[in-house]
Amino acid sequence: AQSVSQHNHHVILSEAASLELGCNYSYGGTVNLFWYVQYPGQHLQLLLKYFSGDPLVKGIKGFEAEFIKSKFSFNLRKPSVQWSDTAEYFCAVKPGNTPLVFGKGTRLSVIA
Amino acid sequence: ETGVTQTPRHLVMGMTNKKSLKCEQHLGHNAMYWYKQSAKKPLELMFVYNFKEQTENNSVPSRFSPECPNSSHLFLHLHTLQPEDSALYLCASSQDRGDYGYTFGSGTRLTVV
Repeated sequence: AQSVSQHNHHVILSEAASLELGCNYSYGGTVNLFWYVQYPGQHLQLLLKYFSGDPLVKGIKGFEAEFIKSKFSFNLRKPSVQWSDTAEYFCAVKPGNTPLVFGKGTRLSVIA
Repeated sequence: ETGVTQTPRHLVMGMTNKKSLKCEQHLGHNAMYWYKQSAKKPLELMFVYNFKEQTENNSVPSRFSPECPNSSHLFLHLHTLQPEDSALYLCASSQDRGDYGYTFGSGTRLTVV
């Protein structure tokens, strides 16, 4: 079965620190890749997505992600986090024609 | 407001009750989804509807019964639930297969007592 692995359950960072959240998937064919964010009490929002082309994808709020095909990875990065980035982050993979498969999520807490 | 509206936002029900969750999308999408979100677990896909036809049932117990009367509305009928069914139930919609991603509603927080 396809799976999406997010390595960190909870990450705690100070403001202005750099962020990298790992995501690996197990599907070997063509995939579309996504990162979603869920702020406390709010709905899941799309941060960024990758279909093809440049493997470095830029999203909203200064986030970016890099697709490394050889590593089956799609890690999320931000150079300098803010308190308002406190949220849960979900990596999702769409293998071919099948529905989105989500990882377990990573909770990010940014402290002043 | 995402364009996908779920009601109610919160629901507490007894194990013998019957209730329904409602989802409505105003985006002109033709596919709709039910996901279950539990703590420390990946979002679990429950059902997929495409042009009102159910295209996926992810081995969901029969105490959950979906209904999709048209491409804009999706229901999840609940009966004789168990406490472990307590979770956040998320509705999403997409255009066609959702290659560009899904749009999610805010969810219904369900507590079974």
